[in-house]
Amino acid sequence: DSGVTQTPKHLITATGQRVTLRCSPRSGDLSVYWYQQSLDQGLQFLIQYYNGEERAKGNILERFSAQQFPDLHSELNLSSLELGDSALYFCASSPNVGSGANVLTFGAGSRLTVL
Amino acid sequence: AQTVTQSQPEMSVQEAETVTLSCTYDTSESDYYLFWYKQPPSRQMILVIRQEAYKQQNATENRFSVNFQKAAKSFSLKISDSQLGDAAMYFCAYRSTNFGNEKLTFGTGTRLTIIP
Repeated sequence: DSGVTQTPKHLITATGQRVTLRCSPRSGDLSVYWYQQSLDQGLQFLIQYYNGEERAKGNILERFSAQQFPDLHSELNLSSLELGDSALYFCASSPNVGSGANVLTFGAGSRLTVL
Repeated sequence: AQTVTQSQPEMSVQEAETVTLSCTYDTSESDYYLFWYKQPPSRQMILVIRQEAYKQQNATENRFSVNFQKAAKSFSLKISDSQLGDAAMYFCAYRSTNFGNEKLTFGTGTRLTIIP
């Protein structure tokens, strides 16, 4: 157990629907990162939050949004889902910012299947 | 923007032998961090090893070691005494030390097969 908790583990939904993925970071970690991994692909950075504020944005579609709550858990909202959104979505956390030495610890991922 | 390239989509090695996975990166920064992550069939991302760019000494973690060539922007992973449990996708990753750019940038991965 990495200490980063993601729910749900698996999700099957239909095109056009909306889903919410949830992430609880490791205790004490202030930064949360979201990544998307499509089938047999590398990990694409979506967005980072630090202590409740958006800190960096990557290749995140406009149909996707995220937020980090006061208790530091984060949610990734995916709307108007398309077949191509089927992927493994990872959340990772790290203690703070400003130090590249901080390792990102990953959750087990949420597998989204859009039919 | 930084990029990470893994030119070997697949590698295989006999059990107990040594294998080296290649990684090159492109950056204009002088200080940064490099990582190797392992993704077994469970799909969990697991940190294997980390290297600070300002350190000349290559990092080692038990059977895992790196060959860090800063001038050549090369960061290879050597796995000694390969074990069946080493079978996985291996991702090389770059992390800037710049404020506001703490994300990891990943390569496309190398799938390592261990032959019994």
